[in-house]
Amino acid sequence: AQKVTQAQTEISVVEKEDVTLDCVYETRDTTYYLFWYKQPPSGELVFLIRRNSFDEQNEISGRYSWNFQKSTSSFNFTITASQVVDSAVYFCALGNLQGGSEKLVFGKGMKLTVNP
Amino acid sequence: GAVVSQHPSWVICKSGTSVKIECRSLDFQATTMFWYRQFPKQSLMLMATSNEGSKATYEQGVEKDKFLINHASLTLSTLTVTSAHPEDSSFYICSASRPGLAVYEQYFGPGTRLTVT
Repeated sequence: AQKVTQAQTEISVVEKEDVTLDCVYETRDTTYYLFWYKQPPSGELVFLIRRNSFDEQNEISGRYSWNFQKSTSSFNFTITASQVVDSAVYFCALGNLQGGSEKLVFGKGMKLTVNP
Repeated sequence: GAVVSQHPSWVICKSGTSVKIECRSLDFQATTMFWYRQFPKQSLMLMATSNEGSKATYEQGVEKDKFLINHASLTLSTLTVTSAHPEDSSFYICSASRPGLAVYEQYFGPGTRLTVT
């Protein structure tokens, strides 16, 4: 069974603080994809990153960085120098091909509030 | 980037009526579309996978007679909530898969907020 666990449900930080969002996944597949999405109050999902299971390189994009570790089945997301605009719910998701269909399983999400 | 639209963005209907939600891929042809439901402060749950020209595949626990999905063209999938009840009130999100590109080029629509009174 595919499962994504985001243990933190809600985090509140002060602007300019760094914050790490944890994501642990479970899958028996050797080929899979991991994602992070941002959902601001408007509700629209914003794609942040996709990583396939064969690429364990960490990635940095501006203030965002991701740490993929297959040994611990984790795909953590760090926001450096957080800003108020980062306030949103963040979802980690796992994708695999089931019967040829690209299904996504989402974690429960983590609500980040960045206070000025 | 690819754009997926949903219409309406929000709808209020009376209990017992049916509501249709449209999902369109605006600048690409989507052979596969997905429908998700999100209750307040909860995660997205996949309801069904919709393939153009064939019947939708529903996830376990999703009533296919209640949530009718039609994927009549490569750019349009519709979700009809039949005989809606207050417990169907939710945020419905569609996504479209863009063929020919890397696996999981899945683009999400902005969502439709359904309130059943």
